Parts: sequence; C-alpha cells; structure tokens
Amino acid sequence: GIQVEQSPPDLILQEGANSTLRCNFSDSVNNLQWFHQNPWGQLINLFYIPSGTKQNGRLSATTVATERYSLLYISSSQTTDSGVYFCAALSGGYQKVTFGTGTKLQVIP
Amino acid sequence: EPEVTQTPSHQVTQMGQEVILRCVPISNHLYFYWYRQILGQKVEFLVSFYNNEISEKSEIFDDQFSVERPDGSNFTLKIRSTKLEDSAMYFCASITRGGTGELFFGEGSRLTVL
Repeated sequence: GIQVEQSPPDLILQEGANSTLRCNFSDSVNNLQWFHQNPWGQLINLFYIPSGTKQNGRLSATTVATERYSLLYISSSQTTDSGVYFCAALSGGYQKVTFGTGTKLQVIP
Repeated sequence: EPEVTQTPSHQVTQMGQEVILRCVPISNHLYFYWYRQILGQKVEFLVSFYNNEISEKSEIFDDQFSVERPDGSNFTLKIRSTKLEDSAMYFCASITRGGTGELFFGEGSRLTVL
C-alpha cells in the first residue's frame, strides 16, 4: 500500500515564527488532506488539497501531485497552533485513507 | 455545517467486556471508516464500509472486531472481548458519494480498557 511520511517529526517554534511541514507519499493519490490534532485529541480538517495551493488565514498548503509531496505552511505561529499535524492520502478508490506519521509542533511564548 | 457524530465520547470498560462504539455519518455520504489511534501514535486504518459490506480491512481488524449499519443512519464498531491493548481513540469518518473525496471525521471515542 501507499506509504506516507512526514517531516520533521518534532518542531519547536518561538511564537511569531514561520514553519513548513512536509508530507511525502509513495504513489499517486486521489486526495490529500491536512489535519490538526488538538490537545483534546480531535482531528480538525485544515485543507483538502489533492493538487495546487490553498490558503486559510495564516495557514496555506501546496500539493505537487506529480512529485508526490505536499507542504503545509504556518506563518506567524501562535501557541494555539501547538499539536500534531497529520497529512492523509486517499489512493486506489475510496477504500482506504492512509495517515502520515505526524509532525508534533510546540509553539512557545 | 454537517458533521459526523460519535458516541460515547469516553468509555471505560473491564478487560473481556464487549464494547459498541456508535457513529452517525453525514447523511448523504456512502463510504464509512473506522480508525484507531493509540495514545501518542499515528492514526491507523481499521476498516472501510460501503454498500452495507466491508470493502477493506487492516490486519488490526481481526475476529474480535465487527462493523454494521443497523439502520439508515448509525454505523457501529463492536469489539467482542476487549483487551488492554484496545485502549485507544477510535475515530469514525465518512466520504461524499463519489464526489470530492474529502474525509470528514467525528470527534472520536476514547476507550479505556482496565
């Protein structure tokens, strides 16, 4: 099956700093999503982005499907951005979505 | 905005007991999923369900697990005889019917097996 790898695994930022999180996938995908898992364990939809670029406030994401990677940009980070960021890829029809290994982000004041 | 709802939010059970986790997917969605996340680990696929049958399952989804859609709205995950290692957050998700393929998750059910 498809492999989804994320980097870096851990990231510590000073409040106000910018960061880029990366998601690599081993095969072509029908769908690529980014989620933020908050401290209560909930998975919050950030972006549905099988290709191209999208922006939502301080967050933006780019997927280059032909090169099998996606990037999540966080600008002017805030302490509330802390948590784990997962990308998830849907491949081979609708049978299975595979999650990446996650990036644990800590934003310190 | 339509959402996937899960109950209970937290359940504590004794080892060996049966547990049923319930999910109400978004009403016009046709593909349903259960995922599991052991504390501090990645989110793992358990099973996908379409047209009232399992379409794919992982090696985690052994004979202790079962899923069903008993009526037109609920989608349930049953663990027949819980083990300590079943302690995890269980997420239900659904996808639109042949549309964008955007996955919508419920808020999760935290299962603690003592």
